[in-house]
Amino acid sequence: AQSVTQLGSHVSVSEGALVLLRCNYSSSVPPYLFWYVQYPNQGLQLLLKYTSAATLVKGINGFEAEFKKSETSFHLTKPSAHMSDAAEYFCAVSGQGGSEKLVFGKGTKLTVNP
Amino acid sequence: NAGVTQTPKFQVLKTGQSMTLQCAQDMNHNSMYWYRQDPGMGLRLIYYSASEGTTDKGEVPNGYNVSRLNKREFSLRLESAAPSQTSVYFCASTLGPYQPQHFGDGTRLSIL
Repeated sequence: AQSVTQLGSHVSVSEGALVLLRCNYSSSVPPYLFWYVQYPNQGLQLLLKYTSAATLVKGINGFEAEFKKSETSFHLTKPSAHMSDAAEYFCAVSGQGGSEKLVFGKGTKLTVNP
Repeated sequence: NAGVTQTPKFQVLKTGQSMTLQCAQDMNHNSMYWYRQDPGMGLRLIYYSASEGTTDKGEVPNGYNVSRLNKREFSLRLESAAPSQTSVYFCASTLGPYQPQHFGDGTRLSIL
């Protein structure tokens, strides 16, 4: 069965510093991977998705993620954090066998300090 | 362009009361989902509907029922609310397999 592990439930960075949020997945088939962001009191918004076209995926708000099959990882990065990036981030993997279901990680809350 | 609309946004219930959470999408999506979000637990799938006329259990279906009323609407019902069902509930929809899901803004439900 598919699963997702997000390392670090809380990450704190200074404004202008590199953001690195870690996601490892387990999948018996080539995965489709997603990163979502959730701002306080809102629903989840899609940041980016990996669909096997390219290993480096660029998303909205300056975020990008790199798919590494050998490491079963899909880490999210942003070169320079902004205060507005403070939110909770979720990694998700598509279900097995063409299922429409997604399996979500438990989330990483990002704090950006001035 | 509303996307996924959930009603109500907030609700307080007493133990044993019943309630239906409503969800509608205007993107002509085939699949719809109900999740609950609890601190430290991420999102857990309650029920989903792959297409109009079908529903299936997710990870945590006990205590809930669903109805896919038509292609646009997917409701979640709590027949006899319990304090353990205090949570934030999200509805989502997607066009099909491997496509991203689009989420509503959630319903914050407290059961006393």
